[in-house]
Amino acid sequence: AQKVTQAQTEISVVEKEDVTLDCVYETRDTTYYLFWYKQPPSGELVFLIRRNSFDEQNEISGRYSWNFQKSTSSFNFTITASQVVDSAVYFCALTMDSSYKLIFGSGTRLLVRP
Amino acid sequence: DTAVSQTPKYLVTQMGNDKSIKCEQNLGHDTMYWYKQDSKKFLKIMFSYNNKELIINETVPNRFSPKSPDKAHLNLHINSLELGDSAVYFCASSQGLAETYEQYFGPGTRLTVT
Repeated sequence: AQKVTQAQTEISVVEKEDVTLDCVYETRDTTYYLFWYKQPPSGELVFLIRRNSFDEQNEISGRYSWNFQKSTSSFNFTITASQVVDSAVYFCALTMDSSYKLIFGSGTRLLVRP
Repeated sequence: DTAVSQTPKYLVTQMGNDKSIKCEQNLGHDTMYWYKQDSKKFLKIMFSYNNKELIINETVPNRFSPKSPDKAHLNLHINSLELGDSAVYFCASSQGLAETYEQYFGPGTRLTVT
C-alpha cells in the first residue's frame, strides 16, 4: 500500500528561524514521484516541487530546499530564514509510475510569527 | 487569466438536496481531477478523467457523479447531500500522468450541508 506520513501536525516558529517539515512515504514501487504543495490561508494549492525516485540530489530554490533520502524513505522540506508569508499548510504527496493519482499526507501547518 | 476555475466558491445547502459544482480549465490539459479536503485538511482524490474518460473512481458513494462534457470541463454532481459531505472540493488538471506533470488546482468550493 502507498502512504505518506507527515507526523508534524503544526509547527510554530519566529520569523527568520529555519524550519524543516518532515515527510515519510511508503511504497513498494521502485519508480515513484514525490511532491510538495503549499496551501496558504487563501486556500489554493500551489505546486512547489516534484522529484522522482531515481534522483536523490538535494534541491535548492531560494530559501527552500528539499532533502530526499531513499534509505529512510523521507523527502523533507526546509525553509531557511522563514518569513510570515511562509505561513501555510504544506502537503507532501506521492504518485507511482503510470499513475494519475496523487496520494497526499495529512499536511503540516506552519505558523511563522513576526 | 484563471487557469482552473470552480463555481461556486461557497455552497450552503440542506441535507437531501442535489447540487453541482462546475470546473473549467483553460490550460489545454487532457486530465482533470476532483479532490475532497475534509475539516482536518486531509486531501483525497475522488475522480480523474483523461480525455473525457473516467480513469479513477476512488470508493466514492454513487451519490457523487462526475461529468465531463469536454476536455476543459469536469463537473461534480452530488445527490441527496449528507452532513458528511461538508468539505472543500478541489478541481485540478494536468497535461497527463501525475508522475510527469504538475497538477494545477482550482481555488476550491467550500460545501456546507446543514
